[in-house]
Amino acid sequence: HGQLVQSGAELRKPGASVKISCKVSGYTFSNYDMSWVRQAPGQGLEWMGWISVSKGDTNYAQKFQGRVTMTTDTSTSTAYMELRSLRYDDTAVYFCARPQGGFSGIHYDFWGQGTLVTVSS
Amino acid sequence: QSVLTQPPSVSEAPRQRVTISCSGSSSNIGSHAVNWYQQVPGKAPKLLIYYDDLMPSGVSDRFSGSKSGTSASLAISGLQSEDEADYYCAAWDDSLNAYVFGTGTKVTLL
Repeated sequence: HGQLVQSGAELRKPGASVKISCKVSGYTFSNYDMSWVRQAPGQGLEWMGWISVSKGDTNYAQKFQGRVTMTTDTSTSTAYMELRSLRYDDTAVYFCARPQGGFSGIHYDFWGQGTLVTVSS
Repeated sequence: QSVLTQPPSVSEAPRQRVTISCSGSSSNIGSHAVNWYQQVPGKAPKLLIYYDDLMPSGVSDRFSGSKSGTSASLAISGLQSEDEADYYCAAWDDSLNAYVFGTGTKVTLL
């Protein structure tokens, strides 16, 4: 069984950047991609994109293109998500999640516990 | 604004059955597998159903999924207090080139 452990809560000012980590254990990190999903307070789930751990290819949701960078460090089995030019509406809980299934059947079977990012002046 | 539409809430008495609908289009549900997630407030989502109607190991068989055309449904039978949670459908969307979640449905026991 996989386990995804994320870094702790962050507080940032508008315009700043935040980088969240997601450390994987229990499975071979490079055999799976990694995605990031966020959830604003009281709102639904929003997919941000994914990264191929083995190849480094990325696919970001259009909404976040230009502001987000997803990376991985295979030596430590850790995935990272950096979001720049933070706005108040970026306040949310950010989850990493492991995708399974092919392109047409993608689903997320393991999730991190979530990292709260608060954007406040 | 999600492209997958769900009812905001459903309520039913314990031990009864509820069904949650998820309406999409040809670019998502009509072309790709549907998944369902359960989320208890303050926790990470949990995969309930994948590939339209398959259950991961460990998920109660009181949950079942189905799909027809551009719509999908999640049924919960024998409602229990532990089923009170938010439920989201999800699928890949070709037009958006993104994985999209439904608007979410809150299940409450009467």
